[in-house]
Amino acid sequence: AQSVTQLDSQVPVFEEAPVELRCNYSSSVSVYLFWYVQYPNQGLQLLLKYLSGSTLVKGINGFEAEFNKSQTSFHLRKPSVHISDTAEYFCAVTPRAGNMLTFGGGTRLMVKP
Amino acid sequence: EAGVAQSPRYKIIEKRQSVAFWCNPISGHATLYWYQQILGQGPKLLIQFQNNGVVDDSQLPKDRFSAERLKGVDSTLKIQPAKLEDSAVYLCASSPPGHGRYEQYFGPGTRLTVT
Repeated sequence: AQSVTQLDSQVPVFEEAPVELRCNYSSSVSVYLFWYVQYPNQGLQLLLKYLSGSTLVKGINGFEAEFNKSQTSFHLRKPSVHISDTAEYFCAVTPRAGNMLTFGGGTRLMVKP
Repeated sequence: EAGVAQSPRYKIIEKRQSVAFWCNPISGHATLYWYQQILGQGPKLLIQFQNNGVVDDSQLPKDRFSAERLKGVDSTLKIQPAKLEDSAVYLCASSPPGHGRYEQYFGPGTRLTVT
């Protein structure tokens, strides 16, 4: 079984400041990792994914994440946020042998002018 | 390319009533998922279909929830009878076959309120 912990339920940040949203996971098998974004009253949209290769993954909207196997982490970063980045962000994992996502509880990113 | 369609978008029912949600996945997507997202939590997988067969339904409360995917295309999720704790957003997602299968595309969800 897998579990995902998003350490911060809310992250307030000023516009144009950098941000990091933290994600740690637990699994007895190898996993693939994902970050999704959810805007109000909308479904989830994939930001980025780590399947293999470079541990630094770049996604849409200027976001990137780094897979750290030893620390079982997959933190999401953006060097300069915009008001439009205000949303809920979810980290998720799936075992490599399957395709069933386990999500974290989410982090609400609040970008202030 | 049209996205995942869901209806209705909102539904309010009283406890012990029944309700059904509909999902039409992206054309050509073999795998379809239903998730339950309770307010303030991440989505939880209820059931996964591969074409019209069930891959996993271990977290589906089978005493009250049922789902089907006839003809391997659209799907319905039913709750009968509903309980107060079923109030949530029900998300449908689909994924393509092959290398893209790890990328799930989500619909806008159906927000269910049980009173």
